[in-house]
Amino acid sequence: AQSVTQLGSHVSVSEGALVLLRCNYSSSVPPYLFWYVQYPNQGLQLLLKYTSAATLVKGINGFEAEFKKSETSFHLTKPSAHMSDAAEYFCAVSEGTGRRALTFGSGTRLQVQP
Amino acid sequence: DAGVTQSPTHLIKTRGQQVTLRCSPISGHKSVSWYQQVLGQGPQFIFQYYEKEERGRGNFPDRFSARQFPNYSSELNVNALLLGDSALYLCASSLFLAGGIDEQFFGPGTRLTVL
Repeated sequence: AQSVTQLGSHVSVSEGALVLLRCNYSSSVPPYLFWYVQYPNQGLQLLLKYTSAATLVKGINGFEAEFKKSETSFHLTKPSAHMSDAAEYFCAVSEGTGRRALTFGSGTRLQVQP
Repeated sequence: DAGVTQSPTHLIKTRGQQVTLRCSPISGHKSVSWYQQVLGQGPQFIFQYYEKEERGRGNFPDRFSARQFPNYSSELNVNALLLGDSALYLCASSLFLAGGIDEQFFGPGTRLTVL
């Protein structure tokens, strides 16, 4: 069975500060990993995905994430927060060709203070 | 190109009623998945369909059912509604490539409120 744990349901940073959102996963097979962003009253938008091609993955809006197998982690970072980054962020795992459904974490709400 | 579309946007029902939610995938996508997102939680997988066949089912009661049509659109049906069924229902479409990552594209969701 696969699962995702997102540490910190709320994270608050100042505009221009580093953003770090934590995600740890468990999977019985090599996983595919995803970060999604959800703005209020909207669906989910894919930020980036890990597919085993490279451990450091770059996504949209300046976000990136690093896959660390030894730590079973896939933390999301952005060097400099912008007010428009305020949203809910979800980490998700899929076993790929077997069970294709996404298993999501409980989410982290990012607040950006001016 | 249009993204994933869902209808209706909002829906209010009372306990015991039945509801049907609709989803149209991105053109060219043959797989549709349904997720339930309760307020304050991450989405939970309900069903995945590919080429009109069920390819996966989450841990939901039999009151939940779905189907996919020849044009790859999909409906999610929920019978005997409970207060706990109040949630945002998300539809996602994908190519369902053999042997590869199944990147899912989400629609805006249908907000269901059960009174």
